[in-house]
Amino acid sequence: EVVMTQSPGTLSVSPGERATLSCRASQSVSSNLVWYQQKPGQAPRLLIFGASTRATGIPARFSGSGSGTEFTLTISSLQSEDFAVYYCQQYNNWPLAFGGGTKVEIK
Amino acid sequence: EVQLLESGGGLVQPGGSLRLSCAASGFSFRSYAVSWVRQAPGKGLEWVSATSSSGGDTYYADSVKGRFTISRDNSKNTLYLQMSSLGAEDTAVYYCAKVGDSGGYYFDHWGQGTLVTVSS
Repeated sequence: EVVMTQSPGTLSVSPGERATLSCRASQSVSSNLVWYQQKPGQAPRLLIFGASTRATGIPARFSGSGSGTEFTLTISSLQSEDFAVYYCQQYNNWPLAFGGGTKVEIK
Repeated sequence: EVQLLESGGGLVQPGGSLRLSCAASGFSFRSYAVSWVRQAPGKGLEWVSATSSSGGDTYYADSVKGRFTISRDNSKNTLYLQMSSLGAEDTAVYYCAKVGDSGGYYFDHWGQGTLVTVSS
C-alpha cells in the first residue's frame, strides 16, 4: 500500500508570506494526487486535483506541482482565511491514502 | 447545489453495530462513485470505503474489511455504511464524499459528517 508523508507537521507563516507544503508518496502515484484544506469543525474542501489543477472557485494563490513521488502545494501570499490544515491524498492505487496533514498557523 | 447529508451516528457499545446513511441531492447520484472517510477526534483523515456508481464495485480499508459493508440505493439517492464489531478505534466523525468529475477516486464534495462514539 502507498504511504503518504507530509512535511512539515506545522508551518508558522506570517500573513502575506509564501507557504510551501510537501507531500511524499512511498511509491509512484503518477499525477493522481489531490490537496484538501480543512478548517476546525468543517469538512475538507478540495483545492487541487491531478497534482496541479485548481478546483472550481479556488483562488490562483494556490498552486500544486509534482509527479511520481514528490508533490508540493504552494500558497503564494497567505491570507487570514488560509490558516488551516492541509491534506494530500493519492488516488492512483487501492487503498486510497491520505497524508497526515500540515497545519499552517499564524506566525 | 450538491448536498450530502449524513445521519445515523451516535453512541454505541464496543462490539455493537450501527448503520450510517448519506442522503445525496443536487447531482445525478447514480452517475458517481461515492465514499466514506473518517476522522478520529484531533486526528487526520482516514479513507474507509468506496463504491462505484452502480454499487457493483466496492473497496475497503484493511482496518474495516470484514466488519463494514458499503452499499447504495440509487433509487433513493442514498449511500449506506453498515458497521459491526465496533471498537474504540472506530470512534470518529464519518464523512460521505462524492468523487470528482475528472476520473479517479478523489472527492470534490463532502458532507458535514456524523459522529460515531464507541464506548461503554
